[in-house]
Amino acid sequence: QKEVEQNSGPLSVPEGAIASLNCTYSDRGSQSFFWYRQYSGKSPELIMFIYSNGDKEDGRFTAQLNKASQYVSLLIRDSQPSDSATYLCAVRRDEKLTFGTGTRLTIIP
Amino acid sequence: DTEVTQTPKHLVMGMTNKKSLKCEQHMGHRAMYWYKQKAKKPPELMFVYSYEKLSINESVPSRFSPECPNSSLLNLHLHALQPEDSALYLCASSQDLRQWETQYFGPGTRLLVL
Repeated sequence: QKEVEQNSGPLSVPEGAIASLNCTYSDRGSQSFFWYRQYSGKSPELIMFIYSNGDKEDGRFTAQLNKASQYVSLLIRDSQPSDSATYLCAVRRDEKLTFGTGTRLTIIP
Repeated sequence: DTEVTQTPKHLVMGMTNKKSLKCEQHMGHRAMYWYKQKAKKPPELMFVYSYEKLSINESVPSRFSPECPNSSLLNLHLHALQPEDSALYLCASSQDLRQWETQYFGPGTRLLVL
């Protein structure tokens, strides 16, 4: 079992709709959870982080964490073509950050 | 200034060459990281420095040698690399090892080993 799992996609979503990205992790000792966006040929950019169970909202982005189910998700409301990218889920335990393989998201105009 | 800079942007080297990658930040961050990212794969942690001391070495081959000369600089010395070492090498920094939400990545050095 991979430490951090994501559906590789591609996930295609119409412009203006909600994009839902999912991530599961295996280590119950994981302490914090991150979503990065990576455009092709560019470096990852942190867009959201969450530490506690529940929802965390920042603009059009909402991160959701359920530690009992070892599940973290990212919702993107009012999707824009500029949201088209690979979204990497990352999980931290102590000094180590482990990335999932990423989900490629395409927003269709 | 929330920037991590890396040089060079691109590097082509032979298997017998010695080269170095450089990373710099002026945000006062005390944790710095090297990651390796192969095409269509996630970044893989290589080394972590905390307060200029090596904190984590993820069993990286000795042909990769990190160095942290001061709190703003991180180098990665390369020697006798293999073609499979071709990848994007990413540097990152954060306030310290507990404040990962402050982590910023540099643009990366794209390395090709012939």
